[in-house]
Amino acid sequence: KQEVTQIPAALSVPEGENLVLNCSFTDSAIYNLQWFRQDPGKGLTSLLLIQSSQREQTSGRLNASLDKSSGRSTLYIAASQPGDSATYLCAVRAGGGADGLTFGKGTHLIIQP
Amino acid sequence: GAGVSQSPSNKVTEKGKDVELRCDPISGHTALYWYRQSLGQGLEFLIYFQGNSAPDKSGLPSDRFSAERTGGSVSTLTIQRTQQEDSAVYLCASSLASGGAYEQYFGPGTRLTVT
Repeated sequence: KQEVTQIPAALSVPEGENLVLNCSFTDSAIYNLQWFRQDPGKGLTSLLLIQSSQREQTSGRLNASLDKSSGRSTLYIAASQPGDSATYLCAVRAGGGADGLTFGKGTHLIIQP
Repeated sequence: GAGVSQSPSNKVTEKGKDVELRCDPISGHTALYWYRQSLGQGLEFLIYFQGNSAPDKSGLPSDRFSAERTGGSVSTLTIQRTQQEDSAVYLCASSLASGGAYEQYFGPGTRLTVT
């Protein structure tokens, strides 16, 4: 059974710092990996999708990498801002016809002004 | 519509009652997913639809849970004889099609409280 782990569970940093969130998964047979953010009381907002054949994806100040063979992904946030405060979730989509996402429990990020 | 919508946004029900939760996917999206988010458990996959059929029901926690989709659009998740452990946020997502290439877009969720 696929398991997804996110480290750290919580992180608080001053505004302007660059930071890295980590995600690991136990079964490397994935179709893709998706990073989301979730604001309190809200649904999930998709940030980046990395296909299994890709190594990284970038969107603005966000960069996500994927090392499928080692079962790891990182989300890099450059020049953090208070508006980046949220819970960040990593999710993988398995191969073999299973279409639901398996989620980690998230990293709760606070950016101090 | 612009995004996935869900109703109601909040639902409080008494233990033993049945509830129905509704999801309207993004127009043109053929795949639809239900997830549950509860404290301490994180987000769990429940079921997905491709069109009106449900190839994967593996995540439904018990036979009290069922879902249907009609007209390839709206979906309803039904929980019969609700229990307190069913209290959670139920999230719906849709994607252009099933398969690895497509992002899933999530709705705001329905917060279910069973008293």
